[in-house]
Amino acid sequence: EDQVTQSPEALRLQEGESSSLNCSYTVSGLRGLFWYRQDPGKGPEFLFTLYSAGEEKEKERLKATLTKKESFLHITAPKPEDSATYLCAVQAWTNAGKSTFGDGTTLTVKP
Amino acid sequence: EAQVTQNPRYLITVTGKKLTVTCSQNMNHEYMSWYRQDPGLGLRQIYYSMNVEVTDKGDVPEGYKVSRKEKRNFPLILESPSPNQTSLYFCASSSVKEMGTEAFFGQGTRLTVV
Repeated sequence: EDQVTQSPEALRLQEGESSSLNCSYTVSGLRGLFWYRQDPGKGPEFLFTLYSAGEEKEKERLKATLTKKESFLHITAPKPEDSATYLCAVQAWTNAGKSTFGDGTTLTVKP
Repeated sequence: EAQVTQNPRYLITVTGKKLTVTCSQNMNHEYMSWYRQDPGLGLRQIYYSMNVEVTDKGDVPEGYKVSRKEKRNFPLILESPSPNQTSLYFCASSSVKEMGTEAFFGQGTRLTVV
């Protein structure tokens, strides 16, 4: 059974204080690992897809990396508008339509 | 504008009264999926569909039904809702080629079963 564990559950940062969110996963044949951002009361918004260990993707202040067991979402010099819940999900080649999500990390960035 | 539209946004119903939550997308996506989100439990997949007339179970399909008669629509049916189905529901769609990016989620349906 695929599993995704995100840590920490909650993270509070000062504006400009860089940090990382962790997503540990267990999957039989990773097809893809996905990061989403979710604002309160809204649907998740897609950020990145990573397919193989060593891959990195960047978008503004966010950078996602992938190893064989975990993914990190690095946030550089965050701003208050980066405050949201960040979700990680995996899909396996054995059942490509099925997505398994972690419980998310709620990030709060204080000015 | 590319979007996934769910209706209704909010619904309060009574135990056992059949209901349908609609989901429609205007992007000609083959893949559609339903999730529920509960506090502390993240998103859990209910059902998904790879294309018209093709549906499959996710992690929590019990008590739900779906159908995919048209490419744009993927309704979620609760034949006999129970209080443990009180939750926030999301529909999502993506191209099969980009499947799993699920770049488009609906705005959510908050369901309360009393």
